[in-house]
Amino acid sequence: EAGVTQFPSHSVIEKGQTVTLRCDPISGHDNLYWYRRVMGKEIKFLLHFVKESKQDESGMPNNRFLAERTGGTYSTLKVQPAELEDSGVYFCASHNDGSYEQYFGPGTRLTVT
Amino acid sequence: AQSVTQPDIHITVSEGASLELRCNYSYGATPYLFWYVQSPGQGLQLLLKYFSGDTLVQGIKGFEAEFKRSQSSFNLRKPSVHWSDAAEYFCAVGYTGFQKLVFGTGTRLLVSP
Repeated sequence: EAGVTQFPSHSVIEKGQTVTLRCDPISGHDNLYWYRRVMGKEIKFLLHFVKESKQDESGMPNNRFLAERTGGTYSTLKVQPAELEDSGVYFCASHNDGSYEQYFGPGTRLTVT
Repeated sequence: AQSVTQPDIHITVSEGASLELRCNYSYGATPYLFWYVQSPGQGLQLLLKYFSGDTLVQGIKGFEAEFKRSQSSFNLRKPSVHWSDAAEYFCAVGYTGFQKLVFGTGTRLLVSP
């Protein structure tokens, strides 16, 4: 069984540009999460999808961040326009209904210069 | 707000020595507790979890953790550290009804020869 995959693994963009991160959860996992770790800080929750619906987006920093999960499979997280403070590692995780065990992807390291 | 504290940012342990990584959480009810490990260039891997029952839980790679309700702690232990254990370790907490995880800031383990 394939694990959670994320693309790209690294992205370097300039302030003001747009970046789109992609996450493919484990097949059959309805629950999908985005987290972010800013350097030296804790991993922080951004939002939670159940299938294609946003269950909880309380961790989204501002309206420059847009997450989608069309069709309830893969998800994208777009940052537009990117700011320096958006730099960090963005993790995606997924799990089955009824399970609290989240499986994490390798993360996307975003650097905004 | 829920929080997780990992008081040690860095720990250096000699190979073959024992290890204990500390984790404290803030919440009144019994949480779901997790330890994740991130090796260089890798994603987050679940080491072990506590949901209920026996307060001493065994995980992969020879790790164990003990839930102590009176101390709101879930410390991670290993009797004999191997060089391959060098990584960053994250304690995380989830709560019934709140499926997102709250993470500590992580502890980076260095293993000396």
